[in-house]
Amino acid sequence: NAGVTQTPKFRILKIGQSMTLQCAQDMNHNYMYWYRQDPGMGLKLIYYSVGAGITDKGEVPNGYNVSRSTTEDFPLRLELAAPSQTSVYFCASSFNGQNTEAFFGQGTRLTVV
Amino acid sequence: KQEVTQIPAALSVPEGENLVLNCSFTDSAIYNLQWFRQDPGKGLTSLLLIQSSQREQTSGRLNASLDKSSGRSTLYIAASQPGDSATYLCAASTGKLIFGQGTTLQVKP
Repeated sequence: NAGVTQTPKFRILKIGQSMTLQCAQDMNHNYMYWYRQDPGMGLKLIYYSVGAGITDKGEVPNGYNVSRSTTEDFPLRLELAAPSQTSVYFCASSFNGQNTEAFFGQGTRLTVV
Repeated sequence: KQEVTQIPAALSVPEGENLVLNCSFTDSAIYNLQWFRQDPGKGLTSLLLIQSSQREQTSGRLNASLDKSSGRSTLYIAASQPGDSATYLCAASTGKLIFGQGTTLQVKP
């Protein structure tokens, strides 16, 4: 099992550009999450999904969109990138979100200039 | 709205000390409480998961406790080692998994 795979690992965007951060898991997990981590801070939940076709907002959803068309994939879309979206983005998954641990990808470091 | 707080923000101890990291949460209707470790520039690694019906979990030198009624969890690290130096994060799950700000631990040889 590869676990949780995020691509790309690094990206530089110009203000106003758009991009999609990819996240895939091969553990047949139902729950998937997107977080951002700013320097010296904890993780803030952007969006999460409890299964294919179901998504919900987290703590900081503005400026982002998600979709969950399959169990395996949970892409995060940034529209009209802003410098405030410069951060490290982490994707995570969990089998049921209740009594199973969460597994994390290695992160995507995004800089908006 | 769930809010998770960790105290202290940073901790520096000599090797061999036993230490306690604190985590508090505002919504006690949690499914579980998880503790993670993060090394600089890396992702998160799960250390311990305590289900809402449990009081504690142990793994090696780590012991985590949970008191739902008071909204608190502690992570106890016994006989700390330089290799324990990292940031430790707790997260409370209500379906959403909400994180605290983390405690950065430095263990000096």
